[in-house]
Amino acid sequence: KQEVTQIPAALSVPEGENLVLNCSFTDSAIYNLQWFRQDPGKGLTSLLLIQSSQREQTSGRLNASLDKSSGRSTLYIAASQPGDSATYLCAVRRVSGSARQLTFGSGTQLTVLP
Amino acid sequence: DADVTQTPRNRITKTGKRIMLECSQTKGHDRMYWYRQDPGLGLRLIYYSFDVKDINKGEISDGYSVSRQAQAKFSLSLESAIPNQTALYFCATSDSGTGVYTEAFFGQGTRLTVV
Repeated sequence: KQEVTQIPAALSVPEGENLVLNCSFTDSAIYNLQWFRQDPGKGLTSLLLIQSSQREQTSGRLNASLDKSSGRSTLYIAASQPGDSATYLCAVRRVSGSARQLTFGSGTQLTVLP
Repeated sequence: DADVTQTPRNRITKTGKRIMLECSQTKGHDRMYWYRQDPGLGLRLIYYSFDVKDINKGEISDGYSVSRQAQAKFSLSLESAIPNQTALYFCATSDSGTGVYTEAFFGQGTRLTVV
Protein backbone atom coordinates (compact mmCIF):
# COMPACT_ATOMS: atom_id res chain seq x y z
CA LYS A 1 0.00 0.00 0.00
CA GLN A 2 1.29 3.42 -0.93
CA GLU A 3 1.84 5.81 1.97
CA VAL A 4 2.67 9.46 1.52
CA THR A 5 4.20 11.51 4.32
CA GLN A 6 4.74 15.22 4.51
CA ILE A 7 7.03 16.74 7.10
CA PRO A 8 6.72 19.15 8.79
CA ALA A 9 2.98 19.35 9.35
CA ALA A 10 3.28 23.09 9.90
CA LEU A 11 5.92 25.67 9.08
CA SER A 12 6.17 29.37 9.83
CA VAL A 13 8.77 31.58 8.13
CA PRO A 14 9.41 35.31 7.74
CA GLU A 15 8.68 36.93 4.40
CA GLY A 16 11.50 36.70 1.87
CA GLU A 17 12.91 33.39 3.02
CA ASN A 18 13.50 30.51 0.66
CA LEU A 19 11.95 27.30 1.94
CA VAL A 20 11.62 23.61 1.16
CA LEU A 21 8.63 21.36 1.75
CA ASN A 22 9.20 17.63 1.86
CA CYS A 23 7.16 14.70 0.59
CA SER A 24 8.09 11.03 0.86
CA PHE A 25 6.35 7.95 -0.49
CA THR A 26 6.83 4.27 0.17
CA ASP A 27 6.20 2.72 -3.27
CA SER A 28 8.46 4.04 -6.02
CA ALA A 29 6.27 2.54 -8.77
CA ILE A 30 4.49 5.77 -9.62
CA TYR A 31 3.25 7.44 -12.80
CA ASN A 32 3.61 10.95 -11.53
CA LEU A 33 3.62 13.22 -8.51
CA GLN A 34 1.55 16.35 -8.17
CA TRP A 35 1.86 19.29 -5.77
CA PHE A 36 -1.28 21.17 -4.78
CA ARG A 37 -2.07 24.26 -2.81
CA GLN A 38 -5.18 24.44 -0.61
CA ASP A 39 -6.53 27.69 0.78
CA PRO A 40 -9.10 27.72 3.61
CA GLY A 41 -12.61 27.28 2.24
CA LYS A 42 -11.32 26.67 -1.24
CA GLY A 43 -10.44 23.71 -3.36
CA LEU A 44 -7.10 22.33 -4.41
CA THR A 45 -5.09 24.24 -6.95
CA SER A 46 -2.58 22.25 -8.94
CA LEU A 47 0.89 23.76 -8.75
CA LEU A 48 3.22 21.33 -10.48
CA LEU A 49 3.03 17.87 -12.02
CA ILE A 50 6.18 15.76 -12.36
CA GLN A 51 6.08 12.64 -14.50
CA SER A 52 8.00 9.62 -13.22
CA SER A 53 10.62 10.09 -15.94
CA GLN A 54 11.32 13.69 -14.93
CA ARG A 55 13.61 15.03 -12.23
CA GLU A 56 12.10 18.45 -11.71
CA GLN A 57 9.53 21.01 -12.80
CA THR A 58 9.54 24.76 -12.38
CA SER A 59 6.80 27.36 -12.36
CA GLY A 60 7.69 30.90 -11.38
CA ARG A 61 9.09 30.88 -7.84
CA LEU A 62 8.25 27.20 -7.40
CA ASN A 63 10.52 24.28 -8.17
CA ALA A 64 9.57 20.69 -7.52
CA SER A 65 12.04 17.82 -7.64
CA LEU A 66 11.48 14.10 -7.77
CA ASP A 67 13.83 11.29 -6.73
CA LYS A 68 11.75 8.24 -7.48
CA SER A 69 14.33 5.70 -6.36
CA SER A 70 14.50 7.16 -2.87
CA GLY A 71 10.78 7.94 -2.73
CA ARG A 72 11.17 11.66 -2.17
CA SER A 73 10.01 14.94 -3.61
CA THR A 74 10.66 18.50 -2.53
CA LEU A 75 8.84 21.73 -3.29
CA TYR A 76 11.15 24.73 -3.19
CA ILE A 77 9.56 28.16 -2.79
CA ALA A 78 11.84 31.10 -3.46
CA ALA A 79 11.46 34.51 -1.85
CA SER A 80 8.35 33.58 0.09
CA GLN A 81 5.46 36.04 0.37
CA PRO A 82 2.48 36.26 2.76
CA GLY A 83 0.27 35.25 -0.16
CA ASP A 84 2.05 31.89 -0.21
CA SER A 85 0.41 31.04 3.13
CA ALA A 86 -1.68 27.93 2.54
CA THR A 87 -1.61 24.17 3.00
CA TYR A 88 0.56 22.36 0.48
CA LEU A 89 -0.33 18.79 -0.46
CA CYS A 90 1.61 16.28 -2.47
CA ALA A 91 -0.01 13.31 -4.16
CA VAL A 92 1.37 10.35 -6.09
CA ARG A 93 -0.39 8.36 -8.78
CA ARG A 94 0.78 4.82 -8.40
CA VAL A 95 1.20 2.22 -11.11
CA SER A 96 -0.22 -0.77 -9.25
CA GLY A 97 -3.88 -1.37 -8.56
CA SER A 98 -6.90 -0.92 -10.81
CA ALA A 99 -7.70 2.55 -9.63
CA ARG A 100 -4.29 4.10 -10.10
CA GLN A 101 -5.70 6.93 -8.09
CA LEU A 102 -3.87 9.71 -6.36
CA THR A 103 -2.64 8.99 -2.84
CA PHE A 104 -2.30 12.15 -0.79
CA GLY A 105 -0.10 13.23 2.05
CA SER A 106 -1.65 15.07 4.98
CA GLY A 107 -0.12 18.36 3.93
CA THR A 108 2.19 21.06 5.28
CA GLN A 109 0.50 24.19 6.56
CA LEU A 110 2.72 27.12 5.62
CA THR A 111 2.50 30.55 7.20
CA VAL A 112 4.62 33.36 5.79
CA LEU A 113 4.85 36.24 8.22
CA PRO A 114 5.01 39.81 6.88
CA ASP B 1 -16.54 30.10 -14.07
CA ALA B 2 -14.71 27.25 -12.45
CA ASP B 3 -13.74 24.26 -14.57
CA VAL B 4 -14.99 21.88 -11.88
CA THR B 5 -18.10 23.02 -10.02
CA GLN B 6 -19.50 21.43 -6.90
CA THR B 7 -22.93 22.08 -5.40
CA PRO B 8 -23.79 22.78 -2.68
CA ARG B 9 -20.70 24.40 -1.17
CA ASN B 10 -21.95 23.89 2.37
CA ARG B 11 -24.62 21.62 3.77
CA ILE B 12 -25.87 20.69 7.20
CA THR B 13 -28.07 17.64 7.38
CA LYS B 14 -29.53 15.37 10.03
CA THR B 15 -28.56 11.80 10.76
CA GLY B 16 -30.50 9.37 8.58
CA LYS B 17 -31.27 11.81 5.80
CA ARG B 18 -30.39 11.15 2.18
CA ILE B 19 -28.22 13.76 0.58
CA MET B 20 -26.72 14.25 -2.86
CA LEU B 21 -23.61 16.21 -3.77
CA GLU B 22 -23.24 17.22 -7.37
CA CYS B 23 -20.25 17.84 -9.57
CA SER B 24 -20.05 19.16 -13.10
CA GLN B 25 -17.01 19.91 -15.24
CA THR B 26 -16.30 21.86 -18.40
CA LYS B 27 -12.81 20.48 -19.04
CA GLY B 28 -14.03 17.71 -21.31
CA HIS B 29 -12.26 15.09 -19.19
CA ASP B 30 -13.49 11.52 -19.22
CA ARG B 31 -12.37 10.60 -15.70
CA MET B 32 -14.06 11.85 -12.55
CA TYR B 33 -13.46 11.16 -8.87
CA TRP B 34 -14.94 11.80 -5.46
CA TYR B 35 -12.66 12.28 -2.43
CA ARG B 36 -13.25 13.17 1.18
CA GLN B 37 -10.85 15.10 3.37
CA ASP B 38 -10.67 14.73 7.12
CA PRO B 39 -8.32 16.69 9.37
CA GLY B 40 -4.93 15.00 9.59
CA LEU B 41 -5.86 12.23 7.15
CA GLY B 42 -5.36 13.80 3.75
CA LEU B 43 -7.76 13.04 0.91
CA ARG B 44 -9.16 9.57 0.45
CA LEU B 45 -10.85 8.20 -2.65
CA ILE B 46 -14.54 7.26 -2.38
CA TYR B 47 -15.52 6.42 -5.98
CA TYR B 48 -14.16 6.97 -9.44
CA SER B 49 -15.47 6.75 -12.98
CA PHE B 50 -13.39 6.42 -16.13
CA ASP B 51 -16.36 7.00 -18.43
CA VAL B 52 -20.15 7.12 -18.29
CA LYS B 53 -20.51 3.33 -18.17
CA ASP B 54 -17.63 2.72 -15.77
CA ILE B 55 -18.07 3.16 -12.00
CA ASN B 56 -15.60 1.83 -9.44
CA LYS B 57 -15.28 1.81 -5.68
CA GLY B 58 -12.39 3.56 -4.03
CA GLU B 59 -10.86 2.83 -0.65
CA ILE B 60 -13.76 4.15 1.48
CA SER B 61 -16.97 3.55 -0.51
CA ASP B 62 -19.14 2.09 2.27
CA GLY B 63 -22.18 4.30 2.94
CA TYR B 64 -21.85 6.11 -0.39
CA SER B 65 -23.16 5.67 -3.92
CA VAL B 66 -22.53 7.55 -7.14
CA SER B 67 -24.13 8.24 -10.48
CA ARG B 68 -22.43 9.35 -13.70
CA GLN B 69 -25.29 11.06 -15.49
CA ALA B 70 -23.17 12.32 -18.37
CA GLN B 71 -19.51 12.73 -19.17
CA ALA B 72 -19.61 16.11 -17.45
CA LYS B 73 -21.66 15.18 -14.39
CA PHE B 74 -20.84 12.93 -11.44
CA SER B 75 -22.94 12.93 -8.27
CA LEU B 76 -22.26 11.42 -4.86
CA SER B 77 -25.07 10.26 -2.58
CA LEU B 78 -25.18 9.45 1.09
CA GLU B 79 -28.18 7.17 1.43
CA SER B 80 -28.50 7.55 5.18
CA ALA B 81 -26.10 10.16 6.52
CA ILE B 82 -24.23 9.53 9.76
CA PRO B 83 -22.11 11.94 11.83
CA ASN B 84 -18.77 10.36 10.89
CA GLN B 85 -19.49 11.33 7.29
CA THR B 86 -18.95 14.92 8.33
CA ALA B 87 -16.06 16.01 6.12
CA LEU B 88 -14.93 18.15 3.22
CA TYR B 89 -15.81 16.45 -0.08
CA PHE B 90 -13.97 17.07 -3.32
CA CYS B 91 -14.75 16.19 -6.90
CA ALA B 92 -11.85 15.88 -9.33
CA THR B 93 -11.30 15.22 -13.03
CA SER B 94 -8.46 14.06 -15.20
CA ASP B 95 -7.98 13.20 -18.84
CA SER B 96 -7.03 9.75 -20.05
CA GLY B 97 -5.03 11.47 -22.78
CA THR B 98 -2.54 9.18 -24.45
CA GLY B 99 -2.66 6.65 -21.65
CA VAL B 100 -0.48 8.60 -19.28
CA TYR B 101 -2.34 9.68 -16.18
CA THR B 102 -2.31 13.40 -16.52
CA GLU B 103 -2.92 16.30 -14.20
CA ALA B 104 -5.90 16.17 -11.83
CA PHE B 105 -8.15 19.18 -11.34
CA PHE B 106 -10.29 19.69 -8.27
CA GLY B 107 -13.51 21.47 -7.44
CA GLN B 108 -13.77 23.92 -4.55
CA GLY B 109 -15.21 21.36 -2.20
CA THR B 110 -18.45 20.76 -0.32
CA ARG B 111 -18.36 21.04 3.44
CA LEU B 112 -20.88 18.55 4.80
CA THR B 113 -21.93 18.44 8.43
CA VAL B 114 -24.14 15.62 9.71
CA VAL B 115 -25.76 16.37 13.05
